[in-house]
Amino acid sequence: NAGVTQTPKFQVLKTGQSMTLQCAQDMNHNSMYWYRQDPGMGLRLIYYSASEGTTDKGEVPNGYNVSRLNKREFSLRLESAAPSQTSVYFCASSERSEGRNSPLHFGNGTRLTVT
Amino acid sequence: AQSVTQLGSHVSVSEGALVLLRCNYSSSVPPYLFWYVQYPNQGLQLLLKYTSAATLVKGINGFEAEFKKSETSFHLTKPSAHMSDAAEYFCAVIYSGGYQKVTFGTGTKLQVIP
Repeated sequence: NAGVTQTPKFQVLKTGQSMTLQCAQDMNHNSMYWYRQDPGMGLRLIYYSASEGTTDKGEVPNGYNVSRLNKREFSLRLESAAPSQTSVYFCASSERSEGRNSPLHFGNGTRLTVT
Repeated sequence: AQSVTQLGSHVSVSEGALVLLRCNYSSSVPPYLFWYVQYPNQGLQLLLKYTSAATLVKGINGFEAEFKKSETSFHLTKPSAHMSDAAEYFCAVIYSGGYQKVTFGTGTKLQVIP
């Protein structure tokens, strides 16, 4: 059982380049999330999708766009990368029917460096 | 703004010693509370969560946490540290009104000294 799979694992971009981070889950979860992790700042929510067909902004959405392609897949796009977007990006999912305290299931992250 | 505070970005303990990692939340209404652990180069995984059924919650790997409403705290403990416990630990909360918008603390890195 793969859980939450993120690709790529590592990426180096030049300022201004674009890229899409991919995320897929095989647990049939309704809700999916994108977080970024920076030293000393914990995890901050970028965007989330409560269910297929819906997306909402989180705490730090500027510079990012998302697509909930289907129930399994939730992608994060950087249209014009900036050095401030150097971070580790985590995708997560949870099952809405389990209630509001259902746990998050995380992928192993994408380590992005923007030069 | 509602927040969650973890005191101590780094904690060092000797192998076999008590582990205590602190977490305080900022709400008069108890939120949903969680502890997650992150091993190097991995995503976070759930250690335990508060369900209101009991104030002392047991999790995986011998960890437990006690909910204290009067202190707005949810501290994580383990009686005897093991080398394999070295990791980063995150307290997380969901406040009312924010559907599954999980707010994470800044994390505490636990070092276990042999």
